[in-house]
Amino acid sequence: KAGVTQTPRYLIKTRGQQVTLSCSPISGHRSVSWYQQTPGQGLQFLFEYFSETQRNKGNFPGRFSGRQFSNSRSEMNVSTLELGDSALYLCASSSGTSPYEQYFGPGTRLTVT
Amino acid sequence: AQSVTQLDSHVSVSEGTPVLLRCNYSSSYSPSLFWYVQHPNKGLQLLLKYTSAATLVKGINGFEAEFKKSETSFHLTKPSAHMSDAAEYFCVALSGNTGKLIFGQGTTLQVKP
Repeated sequence: KAGVTQTPRYLIKTRGQQVTLSCSPISGHRSVSWYQQTPGQGLQFLFEYFSETQRNKGNFPGRFSGRQFSNSRSEMNVSTLELGDSALYLCASSSGTSPYEQYFGPGTRLTVT
Repeated sequence: AQSVTQLDSHVSVSEGTPVLLRCNYSSSYSPSLFWYVQHPNKGLQLLLKYTSAATLVKGINGFEAEFKKSETSFHLTKPSAHMSDAAEYFCVALSGNTGKLIFGQGTTLQVKP
């Protein structure tokens, strides 16, 4: 089975711009979760989508949004980028049911200048 | 709220010696717990999971973890460290019954020749 894929792998944007990141989960998985990883804050949960519905949300501002398509692929959007949004964004795929083990993609490294 | 504490931010061992990475969790019930490893510039790889079936859990690459409810601990061990084990390790708890993972701060494992 192919693993979780994320595109693009690297991205450089300017403050104020918006960005869209994409994640394709493992075939058959219906849940996609997004995480932000920074040196200062570590790994923080952004949100989870299951069967095209947001099932869980972390404590991030509304500039961070996401969606999931009928084929389980997911996109994450960040609007009005700030310097502090520079991070590694990881997506994780799971069946969406117990035991909820998640499989991570390689991440998208976003740099905001 | 559920939380995970990794007691050491950095652990250094010599190749061939045992590895112990410590993790405590706080929860009012028996949680689902995981250990993940992250090699430099890579995504997260699942090492092992605890889901209440057995307190001693075996994972990949010779790693094990023991769930101790009385101590609220889930320490990761390996009998003999290999140079390729050098990486960052995360102790993780599942929050509730959905896909939200709570990460510890991470432990960097250094393996000296």
